[in-house]
Amino acid sequence: DTAVSQTPKYLVTQMGNDKSIKCEQNLGHDTMYWYKQDSKKFLKIMFSYNNKELIINETVPNRFSPKSPDKAHLNLHINSLELGDSAVYFCASSLRWGQQNEKLFFGSGTQLSVL
Amino acid sequence: GQQVMQIPQYQHVQEGEDFTTYCNSSTTLSNIQWYKQRPGGHPVFLIQLVKSGEVKKQKRLTFQFGEAKKNSSLHITATQTTDVGTYFCAGPGWDTGNQFYFGTGTSLTVIP
Repeated sequence: DTAVSQTPKYLVTQMGNDKSIKCEQNLGHDTMYWYKQDSKKFLKIMFSYNNKELIINETVPNRFSPKSPDKAHLNLHINSLELGDSAVYFCASSLRWGQQNEKLFFGSGTQLSVL
Repeated sequence: GQQVMQIPQYQHVQEGEDFTTYCNSSTTLSNIQWYKQRPGGHPVFLIQLVKSGEVKKQKRLTFQFGEAKKNSSLHITATQTTDVGTYFCAGPGWDTGNQFYFGTGTSLTVIP
């Protein structure tokens, strides 16, 4: 019973391709996020969604398009993949937006390699 | 977004030695959280500190929040090989609800 699940775990693709990563949480949380972790392990917030509405886009290129069909799902579609997109992408969720004592629950990550 | 820096970036210790990582924010934080990421794994929540000067302990781990609420530390006493991983602090953005900004992380290696 994984709380936050992401698929696929690994994604290897050629430059210029389009790919998607899926995320689902079964915790009943309102808020979901996408984080990018680079090779130096720096974790950078990309998007925040609350009740399937986009709250914050942290200056991410518009090749990245998140979609939330319902509050339990947050998918990430990436167009025209570039070498610099290679990273580990983590989905996360928290109970509610606007509560600064919420903790994050992370998925197991998707390692994206762009060749 | 705000900046949250951690030092050191890497630390190698002999098993049984102590370890400390420091977290510094460019702005005052309402609270700070700590996460641990094992090699190949995902970040897992450890603890949250809210009050100025707060100290919390979890077995061999001691967490401290600075008086000015701009810095924090994590101290591990007598490290074990199970402590290996990257430790992150994270603080919320004041104007962005509970969107957490993560520190740069400290990767701990424990040599048996």
